[in-house]
Formats: sequence, C-alpha cells, structure tokens
Amino acid sequence: GAGVSQSPSNKVTEKGKDVELRCDPISGHTALYWYRQSLGQGLEFLIYFQGNSAPDKSGLPSDRFSAERTGGSVSTLTIQRTQQEDSAVYLCASSGSVATNEKLFFGSGTQLSVL
Amino acid sequence: TQLLEQSPQFLSIQEGENLTVYCNSSSVFSSLQWYRQEPGEGPVLLVTVVTGGEVKKLKRLTFQFGDARKDSSLHITAAQPGDTGLYLCAGQRAGNMLTFGGGTRLMVKP
Repeated sequence: GAGVSQSPSNKVTEKGKDVELRCDPISGHTALYWYRQSLGQGLEFLIYFQGNSAPDKSGLPSDRFSAERTGGSVSTLTIQRTQQEDSAVYLCASSGSVATNEKLFFGSGTQLSVL
Repeated sequence: TQLLEQSPQFLSIQEGENLTVYCNSSSVFSSLQWYRQEPGEGPVLLVTVVTGGEVKKLKRLTFQFGDARKDSSLHITAAQPGDTGLYLCAGQRAGNMLTFGGGTRLMVKP
C-alpha cells in the first residue's frame, strides 16, 4: 500500500480481555517496528522485525505482550489479559531495512483504551 | 529512564515569534532525527543530522547537532499556526533502533 496501515484505529476493551493489533507495512519494507506512546508523550520502543525474525524482544513490557510477523509483511501485536496501564497509542513503523539512517514511516496508530 | 531529555515540554507562543527546542543526552548517538506529530497521526520525519556540529535548514526550521553528538536543537523562525504540533527528537545507535525524547508540544496562536 501507499503507507503503513494499522487496524483498528481505536479499540476499547475491558480489563482482562485479550486484544490483537494489526500493522500492514509499506510493500517491500523488510523492517517493521512497534512503539507505544502514552498520552502526548514520547515513543517507547517495544519490538522490531527484520523479515519474520524479531532479534530483540527486550522492549516488550511484560510476558503478556507478544508479536509476530508472517510472510515478511503483516504483523500483529497481541496483549493478553489487558490492564489499565496498557492504555496508550500503539504505533507501527516500517523501513526498507534496519540499516542505519533508513527512514522510518509510521502508521497512524491504534488508540487502545482499557476500562 | 529517559535517555533523551527534551525541553521545554510545552510552549505556547504568538504567530511571528521565534523559538528553540532542545534535546539533550549523556549518551552519544550516531545520528539524531527530528519528527513532527499531529493529533491522530504518526510522527513524520523532518530531518536527520549525522555529523557533530552539523546544521541543517528546512525553510524556517534550523536543526543543529552538537559537536559531541549528544545534543541537538531545533529553532523555528517566525512561527506560524501551521507549526503547531508535537516535536520529537530521536537518537539512533545500533542499527536503525531509535530512542525517543519525551516531546515538546508547541502551540502557535494566530
């Protein structure tokens, strides 16, 4: 597609439920990144993929968070047993590669609200 | 722990005024990027500075990378309401991993 697409754009869930967030990167981009942004704040790195592989998962806040990428394209970020502190905007970005200074293109994010 | 500190956090000015936003760290970065983010959208890259002491200009925006590659500044001349938004700096180290600052929220009033 023309840009990074994320769905849903908004998600309201109850505490304890599982949620799945989807990211469709720019076609041909091998690198994909997930970030989390609390209200009006900077971005917190969660995980990145080079192809289907996630070399560094240390940014995931807890073992309730997991992510996968299949076919070198679409990625899903899953949060199990959601907590209120998980409420944030989850942003996905892609780039042509993980080479230094490759430009990142961000999606518009998924606003997650845990009640 | 915030590796990149941005200041000020909030800035409200009148159209036509000048402003400077600062991004400071105790860490050295291979490059530093500045992004602008509008409500409901993802950040959009404005510029990447790579060399210590480098200065880049983008119309009314001037970006500078510190000599030691630990800090950067963004200066806006004659701010306009269209400049309103959240400005984020991000430092790059290994590979393409970015560490973001906390952001500066700028409001320019007509």
